[in-house]
Amino acid sequence: DTEVTQTPKHLVMGMTNKKSLKCEQHMGHRAMYWYKQKAKKPPELMFVYSYEKLSINESVPSRFSPECPNSSLLNLHLHALQPEDSALYLCASSLDRLTYNSPLHFGNGTRLTVT
Amino acid sequence: GQSLEQPSEVTAVEGAIVQINCTYQTSGFYGLSWYQQHDGGAPTFLSYNALDGLEETGRFSSFLSRSDSYGYLLLQELQMKDSASYFCAVSPIKAAGNKLTFGGGTRVLVKP
Repeated sequence: DTEVTQTPKHLVMGMTNKKSLKCEQHMGHRAMYWYKQKAKKPPELMFVYSYEKLSINESVPSRFSPECPNSSLLNLHLHALQPEDSALYLCASSLDRLTYNSPLHFGNGTRLTVT
Repeated sequence: GQSLEQPSEVTAVEGAIVQINCTYQTSGFYGLSWYQQHDGGAPTFLSYNALDGLEETGRFSSFLSRSDSYGYLLLQELQMKDSASYFCAVSPIKAAGNKLTFGGGTRVLVKP
C-alpha cells in the first residue's frame, strides 16, 4: 500500500477519447509530480506542481494537460493521445520542492493503453 | 543535461551481497538517490547521499564519491523479496525530490 492513491489502475482509451487520471495524497506534501514510465525503462518526469502552481513542464505535448485543484489532488487530462503514449503514469509527491533530502512518494500508477 | 549509467541486470543467490554501481554526468549535482521498484509496483525511496561517504540503512547501504561522479548501492544478506529493479537518480538542485533524473535501472534477480 502506498500513501499516494491513483485512479484508475488501468485505462484503455481510443485516440479520439478524453479521459483523466487522478492522484490524491494526504501527507501534507506541497509538491506533486507526474512521471511516465515505459516497460523496462526508468520514470521520466513530465510535470511538477509546487504549492498548486505548475513549476516545471518537461516539454510535454499539449495532449497532456495537468491540473492541481488543491494541495491534495493532482489530475492529468488526456485528449487525442497516440498509441505511443501507452505507458504507466506515475504520480508522486514530496514535502516541497526545496527541502533537503525530501524523497518522492510514488503511487502505484495508472496503466494506460491507447488503441 | 544529465546521464546516469548502471548495469542492466545482476543475478545473485539468497544471502549474498550485491553492489550496484552508478556513474553520472550532470550539469548540476546536489545528491544521489536510490529507488526500488518491484514488478507492477511503485518506486519506493531507499536512500539519499549528498555528501561523500557511506550511508547505512539496515541491510542496504549507499555510497557516494562526488569527485569520481560515482555511487553504489550495496544490498547485503539478499532475500527473495529483494528481486526488483533498482534506480539511481540525480538531483540537479538542492532538493532530493525535485526534477529527479533516473538511471536506466538495474534488475536484480535473487535465486534460492
